[in-house]
Amino acid sequence: EVQLVESGGGLVKPGGSLRLSCAGSGFTFTNYPMNWVRQAPGKGLEWVSSISSSSGDIYYADSVKGRFTISRDNSKNSLYLQMNSLRAEDTAVYYCARARHRGSCFDFWGQGALVTVSS
Amino acid sequence: EIVLTQSPGTLSLSPGERATLSCRASQSVNSIYLAWYQQKPGQAPRLLIYAASSRVTGTPDRFTGSGSGTDFTLTISRLEPEDFAVYYCQHYGSSRWTFGLGTKVEIK
Repeated sequence: EVQLVESGGGLVKPGGSLRLSCAGSGFTFTNYPMNWVRQAPGKGLEWVSSISSSSGDIYYADSVKGRFTISRDNSKNSLYLQMNSLRAEDTAVYYCARARHRGSCFDFWGQGALVTVSS
Repeated sequence: EIVLTQSPGTLSLSPGERATLSCRASQSVNSIYLAWYQQKPGQAPRLLIYAASSRVTGTPDRFTGSGSGTDFTLTISRLEPEDFAVYYCQHYGSSRWTFGLGTKVEIK
């Protein structure tokens, strides 16, 4: 059974940093592109970042470019999102999601990690 | 950048009724890059349909995706109690992924 489990969420002050992790199991992690998608309270879904299976291709939404860094460690079946210079508008549930293949939609999602940016 | 506009924002229907959800793209897109998700309160989204009309394993056949160009539709033939949720369309491509704002299907 495919499982994605996020961790690392919490309360952080504006301007602060936080690192999210996502542990994958039940599939060959190294074969799949991975993604982060967020959802602000009561709002819709917003794609944040994507990373190819080999980490050779990385993409960011304009709203986070220059502040967030996506990475993965295939030896640990893990995906990461380093978030710096956090703003109130970054408050959201952050989901990691597996892509069916390169440039594809997201077929499995984690349960999400809540990040709250507030003083 | 492609913008997806979903309508209506909220659909109030009774169990057993037919639901028709619209997703309109700001420019023509390849239908193989259009997906639909379902999200229930407190849960992660779930992929229902990819490539505009292909059901994911486990998606009931009462869910049908259709459309091309700029206009796409998700139809739920007869609403079951578990179908009341928010539905999002998504366009995906080589370097950017875009979601619509969602349509909430609520019990009338």
